[in-house]
Amino acid sequence: NAGVTQTPKFRVLKTGQSMTLLCAQDMNHEYMYWYRQDPGMGLRLIHYSVGEGTTAKGEVPDGYNVSRLKKQNFLLGLESAAPSQTSVYFCASSYGYNEQFFGPGTRLTVL
Amino acid sequence: QQQVKQSPQSLIVQKGGISIINCAYENTAFDYFPWYQQFPGKGPALLIAIRPDVSEKKEGRFTISFNKSAKQFSLHIMDSQPGDSATYFCAARVTGNQFYFGTGTSLTVIP
Repeated sequence: NAGVTQTPKFRVLKTGQSMTLLCAQDMNHEYMYWYRQDPGMGLRLIHYSVGEGTTAKGEVPDGYNVSRLKKQNFLLGLESAAPSQTSVYFCASSYGYNEQFFGPGTRLTVL
Repeated sequence: QQQVKQSPQSLIVQKGGISIINCAYENTAFDYFPWYQQFPGKGPALLIAIRPDVSEKKEGRFTISFNKSAKQFSLHIMDSQPGDSATYFCAARVTGNQFYFGTGTSLTVIP
């Protein structure tokens, strides 16, 4: 099992560009999450999904959109990147109300 | 507003010593309190977790102490080892499996 994988690992964008981060899990988990991690801020939930075709807002959803078209994939989109979105993004998945398994992260820099 | 307050920000402990990290919260709707360990360049991994109906949980050298009335919980690492050097995050969960994380504690164990 690969667990939770994230693509890409690193990305540099210019302000106003768009991109999509891909998260994939092979554990048949219902729940998937996107977090951002910033120095001194811990992890903050952006959006999450409780099943295929469902999404919900987390703590810091502004500027991001998500889609869960397939159970194993959770996509995070930035339509118009801003420097404030420079961060490390982590995807996680869980089987119901249980342990979250995190991916290795995507380091995004917006110039 | 930080839902879960974590301290200290950094901690240096001698090998064999006890590492103690504290967290506090206000929201009484939180129903699950995990601790995560994160090594540089990796995603967080679940270390140990507790529910509010239990005052203490021990797994090997790691213990969570939970004080429901004070709305505080702490992680104790006994016989700290250099391999324990990492960043530790406390977290708290509300209904819907939304997690709020503390700001993290960077632990360094000196040989």
